[in-house]
Amino acid sequence: GAGVSQSPRYKVAKRGQDVALRCDPISGHVSLFWYQQALGQGPEFLTYFQNEAQLDKSGLPSDRFFAERPEGSVSTLKIQRTQQEDSAVYLCASTYERHPNTEAFFGQGTRLTVV
Amino acid sequence: AQSVTQPDIHITVSEGASLELRCNYSYGATPYLFWYVQSPGQGLQLLLKYFSGDTLVQGIKGFEAEFKRSQSSFNLRKPSVHWSDAAEYFCAVVFTGGGNKLTFGTGTQLKVEL
Repeated sequence: GAGVSQSPRYKVAKRGQDVALRCDPISGHVSLFWYQQALGQGPEFLTYFQNEAQLDKSGLPSDRFFAERPEGSVSTLKIQRTQQEDSAVYLCASTYERHPNTEAFFGQGTRLTVV
Repeated sequence: AQSVTQPDIHITVSEGASLELRCNYSYGATPYLFWYVQSPGQGLQLLLKYFSGDTLVQGIKGFEAEFKRSQSSFNLRKPSVHWSDAAEYFCAVVFTGGGNKLTFGTGTQLKVEL
């Protein structure tokens, strides 16, 4: 596709439910990032993949959060036993190169509401 | 600690007026610097970036930013604002040695009065 695609765009989950958020990066992009954006805040880093390798997961807030990118393209962010504090927009971004000055292309995000 | 600060949460300007959005960072070296814009329902879009060279960088949509090492700042400017510029603006930084992750400021919400 032409851009980073995320699905679903909106997700309402009952507290305690597991959710899976999908990110389809731009074809050929090596690096993939997940960010969490709470209401009124800037995005905060969750995790980073280079191809299929998860090189940094320091931003995952708890062991309920898990991300994977098994074939180095599509990535899934899974949240187990969702809590109200997990309500946020989850953004995925991809970059063509590994260099830190490379432009990151962002998807439109998945808005998760935990009720 | 490494951080990014956008001191202005909200800014209102009249259409046609000039604009300056402030961004400061806390870091011992020069990081990679970015400005992104986020419109409602849209993903973040890169306006411009700086990592070396000329400290005045030009971006898309008529925006520019100036890196000032002595002030640890990277302020975004536009000479004449258009109503379509109303959006949220984020300053972001990649701190060298910290991987490629972006550290974002809290954002500045720009409102444009007609």
